[in-house]
Amino acid sequence: QSALTQPASVSGSPGQSITISCTGTSSDVGGYNFVSWYQQHPGKAPELMIYEVSNRPSGVSDRFSGSKSGNTASLTISGLQTDDEGDYYCTSYTTSSTLIFGGGTKLTVL
Amino acid sequence: QVQLVESGGGVVQPGRSLRLPCAASGFTFSSHAMHWVRQSPGKGLEWVSIISYDGVYKYYADSVKGRFTISRDNSKNTLYLQMDSLRSEDTAVYFCARDRGTGSSSVWYFDLWGRGTLVTVSS
Repeated sequence: QSALTQPASVSGSPGQSITISCTGTSSDVGGYNFVSWYQQHPGKAPELMIYEVSNRPSGVSDRFSGSKSGNTASLTISGLQTDDEGDYYCTSYTTSSTLIFGGGTKLTVL
Repeated sequence: QVQLVESGGGVVQPGRSLRLPCAASGFTFSSHAMHWVRQSPGKGLEWVSIISYDGVYKYYADSVKGRFTISRDNSKNTLYLQMDSLRSEDTAVYFCARDRGTGSSSVWYFDLWGRGTLVTVSS
């Protein structure tokens, strides 16, 4: 199964907002609300930022928000900060009882 | 301290086998489904496998099905990944990760990760 489709890179200035898309199919993103987002800094393990499409774990800034429409999920980061730089990955449960990741998006804060 | 610690990585020849343990501490290991996720050098994340909290249910990515086996020993708070018939494309950092759900309610997202262990498949 192919990876979910994410833009390879996005960038923004401090204080701005950016959105990262994650496109799948009706067999994954469109069929379930088990969509989550992770942030990964170089050499580190990923960190959960959003789960079940739009929920934030405790400790994650409310500048991070998630949504879904049809087969596409989105992660929005508002009030960009330099600490937000890193790689972002979406995931979704699939009809095959597996999990699929997106290809990852590198966020640069200019 | 709540943590997961992977070990067992190293350099292995193509076609050979390797077993990765993941030691859990600081939480009720037997209550959570557990996953393996890998990341090839400079590449993205790839889900590998899940095992239910009681070890009854196991699912695998197509790329490893028939070659890798996930298991757990709840008495030892340890998760395992047995990797057979290794290929060069299996070269990656392997992470174990805790499913945030408990009991039979796997939620397929991870709230605790280990630091990973590097497996290099090369002759």
